[in-house]
Amino acid sequence: GEDVEQSLFLSVREGDSSVINCTYTDSSSTYLYWYKQEPGAGLQLLTYIFSNMDMKQDQRLTVLLNKKDKHLSLRIADTQTGDSAIYFCAVSGGYQKVTFGTGTKLQVIP
Amino acid sequence: GAVVSQHPSRVICKSGTSVKIECRSLDFQATTMFWYRQFPKQSLMLMATSNEGSKATYEQGVEKDKFLINHASLTLSTLTVTSAHPEDSSFYICSALASGGTTDTQYFGPGTRLTVL
Repeated sequence: GEDVEQSLFLSVREGDSSVINCTYTDSSSTYLYWYKQEPGAGLQLLTYIFSNMDMKQDQRLTVLLNKKDKHLSLRIADTQTGDSAIYFCAVSGGYQKVTFGTGTKLQVIP
Repeated sequence: GAVVSQHPSRVICKSGTSVKIECRSLDFQATTMFWYRQFPKQSLMLMATSNEGSKATYEQGVEKDKFLINHASLTLSTLTVTSAHPEDSSFYICSALASGGTTDTQYFGPGTRLTVL
């Protein structure tokens, strides 16, 4: 089955850029998502990218996809304390099971 | 790691019937469970937050009388789709929140594919 891996923890200073990385194993993955989870709350979709794209930018968020290496990253520019949360990478082949990574806890230091 | 199961993995039913989906945390207790829905070629959407022993909190636009959620124990939450119609056909995923130390970790079930004829 699909494996999705992320580092567990990232700490950055307020105002710096954060880069959260994700690797996956199934090269047929079509949809790749980034979700944010604040303490005690459910997942909220941040952004997504299709496998035929290399990059997607949405305000402070930039998603980069390297299909050859099966590597997905989420860059948050000008990181704020409100960005502190757990970020989940998820991949899907479409109308199929979504496989989530373990989540990366982002800590923003004022 | 912690395991969350869902049953059934797929179900086909006739329009007008009700379908119950179970979500279990197998080796940990979960005070909070979440129910998500995924439409074809779309991302997951949070439907509701289920807290053990209390009423579920539904997201805007989710009909609480249609999607009944019961979190009767620390290891089981159920989602009942009442009077299902073809537009309810979807992929339903639950997750359970495991609390430990200073962090909470969310573990996802494998999903249930519902097809309403």
